Amino acid sequence: AQSVTQLDSHVSVSEGTPVLLRCNYSSSYSPSLFWYVQHPNKGLQLLLKYTSAATLVKGINGFEAEFKKSETSFHLTKPSAHMSDAAEYFCVVSVDNFNKFYFGSGTKLNVKP
Amino acid sequence: EAQVTQNPRYLITVTGKKLTVTCSQNMNHEYMSWYRQDPGLGLRQIYYSMNVEVTDKGDVPEGYKVSRKEKRNFPLILESPSPNQTSLYFCASSLYPNPSGGADTQYFGPGTRLTVL
Repeated sequence: AQSVTQLDSHVSVSEGTPVLLRCNYSSSYSPSLFWYVQHPNKGLQLLLKYTSAATLVKGINGFEAEFKKSETSFHLTKPSAHMSDAAEYFCVVSVDNFNKFYFGSGTKLNVKP
Repeated sequence: EAQVTQNPRYLITVTGKKLTVTCSQNMNHEYMSWYRQDPGLGLRQIYYSMNVEVTDKGDVPEGYKVSRKEKRNFPLILESPSPNQTSLYFCASSLYPNPSGGADTQYFGPGTRLTVL
């Protein structure tokens, strides 16, 4: 069975400090991995995706993630948090024929002034 | 503008009264999918469709039906809604297969908040 674990349900950082949101997945196959962001009362927007090209993936708004197969991880980072980054973040995995998608339970990022 | 639209955006109904939530996309995407979002559970896939007349179950299909008669539309049908189907529902679409390999980016609709009393 496939699964995605987001290790922190809430993360709080100060503006200007680094952000780390952790994601581990279980898969027997080479996965496609995504990070989506959901701002309050909004839909979901793609931040970045990994589909077996470069292991370090750069996304929008200064976010990036590194695919580490040996650790089955796909952690999301940003060097300097901005107030507008406050939102909920979802790690997503797709495997097999890439028909099914599995979401993590989400990490709510709070950014303090 | 490329988009996924859902209607209605908000719906309050009563147990057992059949309802349909519509989803339409204008990007000529083959793949469409329905999700429900519940607090602390993330999004869970209900049904998906790889093309016209091709649908399959996701992780939580019980109590739902779908159809894909046209490429652009993928309605979600609750024939006898129950209170445990109170949730926020999202429709999404993407290319399939992804020309670059792997899964393609999904584009999400704005969501439909359903309350079943």
